[in-house]
Amino acid sequence: AQSVAQPEDQVNVAEGNPLTVKCTYSVSGNPYLFWYVQYPNRGLQFLLKYITGDNLVKGSYGFEAEFNKSQTSFHLKKPSALVSDSALYFCAVPPRNTGKLIFGQGTTLQVKP
Amino acid sequence: ETGVTQTPRHLVMGMTNKKSLKCEQHLGHNAMYWYKQSAKKPLELMFVYNFKEQTENNSVPSRFSPECPNSSHLFLHLHTLQPEDSALYLCASSLGTSGGANTGELFFGEGSRLTVL
Repeated sequence: AQSVAQPEDQVNVAEGNPLTVKCTYSVSGNPYLFWYVQYPNRGLQFLLKYITGDNLVKGSYGFEAEFNKSQTSFHLKKPSALVSDSALYFCAVPPRNTGKLIFGQGTTLQVKP
Repeated sequence: ETGVTQTPRHLVMGMTNKKSLKCEQHLGHNAMYWYKQSAKKPLELMFVYNFKEQTENNSVPSRFSPECPNSSHLFLHLHTLQPEDSALYLCASSLGTSGGANTGELFFGEGSRLTVL
């Protein structure tokens, strides 16, 4: 079965520092991988996805993610964190040939001024 | 604005009440989804509809009853709920469910926060 795991419940970063939110996957074949963000009292918003091609994927709000096949990881990164990046981040994978998503448990990102 | 509107945003109900959650999408999508988000738990996929037909029911208790009269509207009818059903219920839509280049790009509403007393 396709699944993703986010090993950290919370990540704390100072504003201006680089941030990384981790995700590992368990997928048969070539994976499609996604990151979504949820701001307080809001629904989820699509950030970026990896389908094929370059291992470094760029998305919204200056975020990027690196697909690493050997480590089965898809970590979300940003070179310089903003306080407004504080939110709940979800990694996700669609079971093969479906449009639905299976989400990780989420990681709360806290960016302190 | 994501193009997916959920009402009501907040709902408090007793265990014997009957209420409904409504979701409407203005994106021309063909697939709609209900997800449940509880504190300290992963998002749970409840139901999937594609072209008004239910394609997935993830062992959801019968006290939750979905309805999809057309591709733009999705309802979740609630009756005799339990306190543990208190959660944020998220509706989402997508172009379709058959995979392809747009696979996984779901558009979510802001959710309906349900409290069962």
